[in-house]
Amino acid sequence: GNSVTQMEGPVTLSEEAFLTINCTYTATGYPSLFWYVQYPGEGLQLLLKATKADDKGSNKGFEATYRKETTSFHLEKGSVQVSDSAVYFCALRVDYKLSFGAGTTVTVRA
Amino acid sequence: DGGITQSPKYLFRKEGQNVTLSCEQNLNHDAMYWYRQDPGQGLRLIYYSQIVNDFQKGDIAEGYSVSREKKESFPLTVTSAQKNPTAFYLCASSIDGAGAGNEQFFGPGTRLTVL
Repeated sequence: GNSVTQMEGPVTLSEEAFLTINCTYTATGYPSLFWYVQYPGEGLQLLLKATKADDKGSNKGFEATYRKETTSFHLEKGSVQVSDSAVYFCALRVDYKLSFGAGTTVTVRA
Repeated sequence: DGGITQSPKYLFRKEGQNVTLSCEQNLNHDAMYWYRQDPGQGLRLIYYSQIVNDFQKGDIAEGYSVSREKKESFPLTVTSAQKNPTAFYLCASSIDGAGAGNEQFFGPGTRLTVL
């Protein structure tokens, strides 16, 4: 079956630090890969996506590259801000179904 | 504004009562989904619908029911058969159910607490 494993949190960083959240997947077929972000008490928002191998998704300073050889889709940001504090979910999609990782809570301190 | 609305934001019910959560979208999306989120866990799919008058069970459908009588609406009923209904429920929609790159758009969620 399809599954996503992402780095356990919580992660606490200082402002302007470098952020990496690891995500690896197992899938049958050719998945699309996504990163979603959830702010406290809210639904999920799409952060970025990649639909095929070697694609790089980017948005708001975040980046992730679809690595088929390592079945990974790690999220990175070079300089985080307090407003980046949230829960980040890695997900894959095959056909209709999204499969999510457990989420990584990130807290950025001023 | 286009989007997905869920109501209410917070819902309290007594054990043994059925409760229906509302989900409406005005994005003209064909596919709609219900997920359940528990603390420290990812989202788990309850039901999904690719077109009006059709829906399929997800991974954790037991104790839940849905209907899809209109394209824009996909209500979820949490029945008394659901053993642990207290959770955060998220509704989502996408242009269609099959497009691999099509993103799912999420509503703000309903937090259900069973007392």
